[in-house]
Amino acid sequence: EPEVTQTPSHQVTQMGQEVILRCVPISNHLYFYWYRQILGQKVEFLVSFYNNEISEKSEIFDDQFSVERPDGSNFTLKIRSTKLEDSAMYFCASSPHPSGANVLTFGAGSRLTVL
Amino acid sequence: AQSVTQLGSHVSVSEGALVLLRCNYSSSVPPYLFWYVQYPNQGLQLLLKYTTGATLVKGINGFEAEFKKSETSFHLTKPSAHMSDAAEYFCAVSPGGSSASKIIFGSGTRLSIRP
Repeated sequence: EPEVTQTPSHQVTQMGQEVILRCVPISNHLYFYWYRQILGQKVEFLVSFYNNEISEKSEIFDDQFSVERPDGSNFTLKIRSTKLEDSAMYFCASSPHPSGANVLTFGAGSRLTVL
Repeated sequence: AQSVTQLGSHVSVSEGALVLLRCNYSSSVPPYLFWYVQYPNQGLQLLLKYTTGATLVKGINGFEAEFKKSETSFHLTKPSAHMSDAAEYFCAVSPGGSSASKIIFGSGTRLSIRP
């Protein structure tokens, strides 16, 4: 069964450092998403991406964050200067269409720990 | 705007007992509703979804949920709990129709199963 692949599974970084989280969505999917889950809290929407541009973003997704699809397969989330509060599990997801009826397929997540 | 409220952050049942996880939603348009499950150290896996049609939907692992518009509810049930059902369960909503949409998650309910 097709799956969304995320790397790294766990990254530890110092506050102020740049971090790039990578995702390989399902190959025929066109819509891509990043969500995050701070430990013990709900899964929060960060950003959606289609046709090489951001479709929608949340208040969390400030200037420290950026997304990119550098080639035909990868979808990346960059945090420019990490803060302690960026420590969370980051989930990538993809779907074939934007309609809510189409299920998002989630990756296993990348755990980011900021020290 | 859409939102989801999950009643009870932690539910504990005995093996073989009925599982009932409560979810109420708010949506300005007819919603699509989802239940996702997250096993320890894993990503989010779709259990079931409601889009249109039959209001009782069946999912994987013996779970089902019923969409009740009059009560704005989408509670998740399973007749007989199994030890392997121990996990975090998230109810989620997105606006119905063909417009691009993100999924909004509830805060989650941790299900524990007692032997």
